[in-house]
Amino acid sequence: QKEVEQNSGPLSVPEGAIASLNCTYSDRGSQSFFWYRQYSGKSPELIMSIYSNGDKEDGRFTAQLNKASQYVSLLIRDSQPSDSATYLCAVTPDYKLSFGAGTTVTVRA
Amino acid sequence: GAVVSQHPSWVICKSGTSVKIECRSLDFQATTMFWYRQFPKQSLMLMATSNEGSKATYEQGVEKDKFLINHASLTLSTLTVTSAHPEDSSFYICSARVGQGAFFGQGTRLTVV
Repeated sequence: QKEVEQNSGPLSVPEGAIASLNCTYSDRGSQSFFWYRQYSGKSPELIMSIYSNGDKEDGRFTAQLNKASQYVSLLIRDSQPSDSATYLCAVTPDYKLSFGAGTTVTVRA
Repeated sequence: GAVVSQHPSWVICKSGTSVKIECRSLDFQATTMFWYRQFPKQSLMLMATSNEGSKATYEQGVEKDKFLINHASLTLSTLTVTSAHPEDSSFYICSARVGQGAFFGQGTRLTVV
């Protein structure tokens, strides 16, 4: 079983809609959770971090964490064409970050 | 946020030659840096963990004699791809842990011809 699993997509959403991304992880000892955005040909950039159960909002992004279900999600509200990218979920079971394979999001105008 | 600078951003080299990639933390000290490789349409693959002042820790399947890592200071880690071959062509990215998270360098696109 992979440490971090994501739906690969692609996830296609119309402009202005909500994009919902899901991630599950296997190590119950994981304490920190991150969402990175990666544009094609570029390196990942951190967009959200979450450490405790519940929701965390930052602008159009909301991260949700449920440690009991070993589940973390990312919602992108009012999706824009500039949100088209691959979103990587990352968790820290130890000193290293473990990444999911990423979900590719396409926002169509 | 913290800045991690990687150089060069792209390089083309001949098969059999070596290429050095630098990763610098610009506004903080990084005792640990990570080196990743990413093939097209695939996720990041951790190659090794670079520790300042000590030997790097390589992931299973990564040849330490081929991918030489040096972390001689708290702000600089280097990855040298030795005797490069076309199959080494990839996107190499470094990152540094900052607090709970990690920040990435810009990445280096290596093409071996």
